[in-house]
Order: sequence, then structure tokens, then C-alpha cells
Amino acid sequence: EAQVTQNPRYLITVTGKKLTVTCSQNMNHEYMSWYRQDPGLGLRQIYYSMNVEVTDKGDVPEGYKVSRKEKRNFPLILESPSPNQTSLYFCAIARDRGFNEQFFGPGTRLTVL
Amino acid sequence: GDSVTQMEGPVTLSEEAFLTINCTYTATGYPSLFWYVQYPGEGLQLLLKATKADDKGSNKGFEATYRKETTSFHLEKGSVQVSDSAVYFCALSDLKTSYDKVIFGPGTSLSVIP
Repeated sequence: EAQVTQNPRYLITVTGKKLTVTCSQNMNHEYMSWYRQDPGLGLRQIYYSMNVEVTDKGDVPEGYKVSRKEKRNFPLILESPSPNQTSLYFCAIARDRGFNEQFFGPGTRLTVL
Repeated sequence: GDSVTQMEGPVTLSEEAFLTINCTYTATGYPSLFWYVQYPGEGLQLLLKATKADDKGSNKGFEATYRKETTSFHLEKGSVQVSDSAVYFCALSDLKTSYDKVIFGPGTSLSVIP
């Protein structure tokens, strides 16, 4: 069974304090993606990765960084968080190109004060 | 660009009522269409999908038919249960224009009361 683990699940921080949200998978899938979920806007893709060392911007990449140094991990980095990055974040993995079926992590609720 | 529109929520139904959640899409190519469900406090999970026109996806009593002529993929269930209370997202993946993306609608919240 596909398992996507995110840590932390909840985080309250202050503006400008760098943070990392980790994402780890147990399926050896090539494709991984980060989304943010905001009321009325659905899910918007931040970054995605097609394989190790291959990443690309999604629809809302500003203020975020990612890395894919190994297949199972895809951390999301906020170098200088701001209050408009307060959101619910999801990591997702997929086997096929086009992300035809995605498996989502449980989510990380981030509040930036 | 590609987009997905869903009916506004929240939707509140009594147990055993019939459910329809409307979804329409705009796409340049021939997208695959999906419904994802998000239960309280959890991540999204795939509910059903259809990859070409006239395909019907079904799962757990839910159904949706890919209608190319009306660019729609409405979700239906004949008799909802309290356990169906969740947020439902319509989504598309258009390999022609957004090969590595899935585009989600805003979600429709469903509450089923006993």
C-alpha cells in the first residue's frame, strides 16, 4: 500500500524563520509533487519532481524551494516564510507521467505569524 | 488554459438522498478526468476516474460519466450515507498541454445528516 509521510503535521512559526516540511514515500515512485490547499481555491501545485535531481515549478512556486537528492524524499523549504504562506500543504506521489493517479500524504497545517 | 469548475458548496443532504455534484472543464486536448475525496483531517484519495469520452468511472456507489459534448463529469450517488461526508474535488490531467500536472477544482463540501 502506498504510504506518503509528512512531517511535521502541524507547525506554527514566525515570519522569516526558515523551515522545512519533509515528505517521504515507500513506493519507489518517480513522480512527487507539493500542493497547497486554500479555501475556495482548491489545490494548487507548488513544485513537482519527475525523478532524482529533476524538479520544476508548478503554478505557485514563489517563496518555496524543493530538492530531490534521493528518490524517496522530496522536502519543501520555505527560506523566509510570510503570513500569506499560511496554508494546508500536501505532498503527493504518482507512478505514471501525467500524475494520472496520485497518492496524497496526510497534510501539514502551517501557520506563519 | 485548462480549468475545472465545480458547483458551489456546501451541500447538505439527508441520509439516503440522491447526490449530484456538477463538474465542468475546459481543456485544449483530451484530458483524463478524476474525482478525489478528502475526508476530515486526511489527504485526498482517488475516488474514480475516466480517461476518454463516454467512459464511466465508478467506485463505492459513486459514478461519473465523461461527457465530451458538454465538457462535464458530474458525480452521482443514488443513496448517500453519513460516512460520505467529505470534500469532493473534480480534477483533470491534460497530457497535451500540462503533461506533468493535475488541475483541481475548488472542491465541494458535502455533509450528510442522519
